[in-house]
Amino acid sequence: DSGVTQTPKHLITATGQRVTLRCSPRSGDLSVYWYQQSLDQGLQFLIQYYNGEERAKGNILERFSAQQFPDLHSELNLSSLELGDSALYFCASSVSGLAGDPPYNEQFFGPGTRLTVL
Amino acid sequence: GDSVTQMEGPVTLSEEAFLTINCTYTATGYPSLFWYVQYPGEGLQLLLKATKADDKGSNKGFEATYRKETTSFHLEKGSVQVSDSAVYFCALTYVTGGGNKLTFGTGTQLKVEL
Repeated sequence: DSGVTQTPKHLITATGQRVTLRCSPRSGDLSVYWYQQSLDQGLQFLIQYYNGEERAKGNILERFSAQQFPDLHSELNLSSLELGDSALYFCASSVSGLAGDPPYNEQFFGPGTRLTVL
Repeated sequence: GDSVTQMEGPVTLSEEAFLTINCTYTATGYPSLFWYVQYPGEGLQLLLKATKADDKGSNKGFEATYRKETTSFHLEKGSVQVSDSAVYFCALTYVTGGGNKLTFGTGTQLKVEL
């Protein structure tokens, strides 16, 4: 158990809908990361938040957005869903996530949310 | 941009065989390198890491050495077990602008048979 929790475990929805995925980081971790794992794109970094602020952005679609709340949990919002958005979405957390000592940047992954868009 | 290239899978081995999974990277600067493992139905777990050239990461019998001259971080294990069957991901972290994203390879599935 990494200490990172994600809900829900599975989500089935229809095209055009909107969903919210939730992540609670390990106790004490300030950074939260979102990754998408799909068969055709592999594991792709989406976005990172550090202590409530967006820190880095990857290949995140405009239909997707995220935020990190004062209690440090994070939510990933996916809207106008398409069939191609079906994937495993992982959240990870780390103590830091800023330039500096690499060991503190070690990321711990949650079990993932499997999204199926029908 | 940064990238990681892994050998294609699946790799099928008999128990107690020697394992090598190749990983090479392209990065500006000096990234930290990682191997993550994903067991069926689970999230990713950090297997080992190396933060600078010539560092050797090791864990659970797995080893990988950070080779700057060949930009490689090959994963090895002397004697695999059925329980090692999983997908292995090579990854790098290169801190840019305060961020710390992981760039992953495509993953290599390992199947170990009795």
